Amino acid sequence: DAGVTQSPTHLIKTRGQQVTLRCSPKSGHDTVSWYQQALGQGPQFIFQYYEEEERQRGNFPDRFSGHQFPNYSSELNVNALLLGDSALYLCASSGASGANVLTFGAGSRLTVL
Amino acid sequence: AQSVAQPEDQVNVAEGNPLTVKCTYSVSGNPYLFWYVQYPNRGLQFLLKYITGDNLVKGSYGFEAEFNKSQTSFHLKKPSALVSDSALYFCAVRDPKGFQKLVFGTGTRLLVSP
Repeated sequence: DAGVTQSPTHLIKTRGQQVTLRCSPKSGHDTVSWYQQALGQGPQFIFQYYEEEERQRGNFPDRFSGHQFPNYSSELNVNALLLGDSALYLCASSGASGANVLTFGAGSRLTVL
Repeated sequence: AQSVAQPEDQVNVAEGNPLTVKCTYSVSGNPYLFWYVQYPNRGLQFLLKYITGDNLVKGSYGFEAEFNKSQTSFHLKKPSALVSDSALYFCAVRDPKGFQKLVFGTGTRLLVSP
């Protein structure tokens, strides 16, 4: 049973470019959350998708947007990249119940030059 | 707003000795508390959680954590450390009225020496 899969694993972009990161949730999970983990920091909540809609959002600018597809997979888009966007982006999936544990993917490491 | 503090950037312990990784939290209402571990180039792996019930929670790989409401702490413990336990450990809190959003601490690096 595959867990959470993310792609790509690594990518390099330049300032001002746009990036799309992809996530397939664990089988049986219908909720996807995205986190940003800067070097030496704990993960920071970006947003969460459920039933193809953004259900909750953290303190991130509108440059960060997302989407959830009918098969529960998700994309994270970041526009107008800044150097400070360099980080490990983690996708986590869970069931709809509030107490469910998040299952994390291995992450996509984004470097902005 | 909820928050988590991990006061130690790094904890060093010899293999076979007990280990403790500290965590304190701040949240309105009853907290949902979690510990995750991160190995190099890997995502976060769930260790254990406290929702309600017994203050001593047992989790994966022999880890346990003690919930202390009066001290607002949720320290991670293991009776006998292994070299393979060396990793980055994160404490997290979730608002029970929210939608599974987790607020993480800054992490504690555990180094177990042979």
